[in-house]
Amino acid sequence: DTEVTQTPKHLVMGMTNKKSLKCEQHMGHRAMYWYKQKAKKPPELMFVYSYEKLSINESVPSRFSPECPNSSLLNLHLHALQPEDSALYLCASSQPLIRDTEAFFGQGTRLTVV
Amino acid sequence: KQEVTQIPAALSVPEGENLVLNCSFTDSAIYNLQWFRQDPGKGLTSLLLIQSSQREQTSGRLNASLDKSSGRSTLYIAASQPGDSATYLCAVRQGAQKLVFGQGTRLTINP
Repeated sequence: DTEVTQTPKHLVMGMTNKKSLKCEQHMGHRAMYWYKQKAKKPPELMFVYSYEKLSINESVPSRFSPECPNSSLLNLHLHALQPEDSALYLCASSQPLIRDTEAFFGQGTRLTVV
Repeated sequence: KQEVTQIPAALSVPEGENLVLNCSFTDSAIYNLQWFRQDPGKGLTSLLLIQSSQREQTSGRLNASLDKSSGRSTLYIAASQPGDSATYLCAVRQGAQKLVFGQGTRLTINP
């Protein structure tokens, strides 16, 4: 099973709402990632969790709050977002600290902020 | 800072043709290189992973090569089909945890 599952597939939220994106994998990977992708652009790294600890934060605004409750789950909590935060949010997983690890991505959550 | 470039940005070819997509990177100190496919509005599907010590990798009609010293990789697609239409992204693993992506090549296969 090389599947990374993201929910929901689509999300529309107002600027005052609080919502969460969820990601799950059962490949035994201990590194999990959040990427943001705008239309016709490549994915941009937001956060990396390694062994359930936040190891990389690419200077992401605090209105995005990641959480890794266990080795299979990754959440992204959203609060007070702006319309420019509308994008495809991708979750990925791989093995940490292994040079030749392969990264697997989910199908993404299409987020629209109104 | 690692920079990854993909040429061409877009490519349209008739069905049945063989084609080559190019990827170049500026820093040869990479762990591996991965090719992905992305359909519109969807996630990334891993196609091939080439380890830094490998020269090429094959999967079905796809063949990817890697020349680390010159900072280049190619993805060869044989006997293209309309179902191959998608955006193809290459990404290099820079350090243990970072993938650096190219801008992608948008491929259209015309029936």
